[in-house]
Amino acid sequence: DVKVTQSSRYLVKRTGEKVFLECVQDMDHENMFWYRQDPGLGLRLIYFSYDVKMKEKGDIPEGYSVSREKKERFSLILESASTNQTSMYLCASSSPPRGFYGYTFGSGTRLTVV
Amino acid sequence: AQSVTQLGSHVSVSEGALVLLRCNYSSSVPPYLFWYVQYPNQGLQLLLKYTTGATLVKGINGFEAEFKKSETSFHLTKPSAHMSDAAEYFCAVKGGGGGSNYKLTFGKGTLLTVNP
Repeated sequence: DVKVTQSSRYLVKRTGEKVFLECVQDMDHENMFWYRQDPGLGLRLIYFSYDVKMKEKGDIPEGYSVSREKKERFSLILESASTNQTSMYLCASSSPPRGFYGYTFGSGTRLTVV
Repeated sequence: AQSVTQLGSHVSVSEGALVLLRCNYSSSVPPYLFWYVQYPNQGLQLLLKYTTGATLVKGINGFEAEFKKSETSFHLTKPSAHMSDAAEYFCAVKGGGGGSNYKLTFGKGTLLTVNP
């Protein structure tokens, strides 16, 4: 089975810190995604990448950046963490272009900014 | 552009009762449709998907969904609820605008509560 691993389940950071959320997938998927999930708002797409070094903004990219230097790793960066970035962050990857069978999600990182 | 509407942010059923979670979609192309489940403090897990072919799709844990093109719906059902079904459920449609064609657009989710 495809595995998507997020480096931390729970994270507490201080306002103004630079925060790195790491995501690694092990099945050679082309596409990777970062979402944040908040009660009542569902999943909102922050950034996605469909190839190494390629990235595109999602619906709410402000305050975030991403890095994809290797195919298997997609990092989300909070340049200067703020309390309104307290949320559940979900990474996902999707199957190669020859077929699309939905996403595989990681277990999520619950980030608290204090 | 694709969009998903899940009717009812919270559904409560008794154990053993029918589960019906509603999903309507909008898509400019033949849709690929998905249901995901999320247990507390976990990521999302694929329940079932419709891509092409048979419109009644069976998934894990006894869930099924029927694609109805005329109603633009993809409702999720389970004949008999179990306590372990308590979770949040998300409907999604493939596509969502620019960039990769392999994005999913999600509904806002429906929290299912199962009462003993």
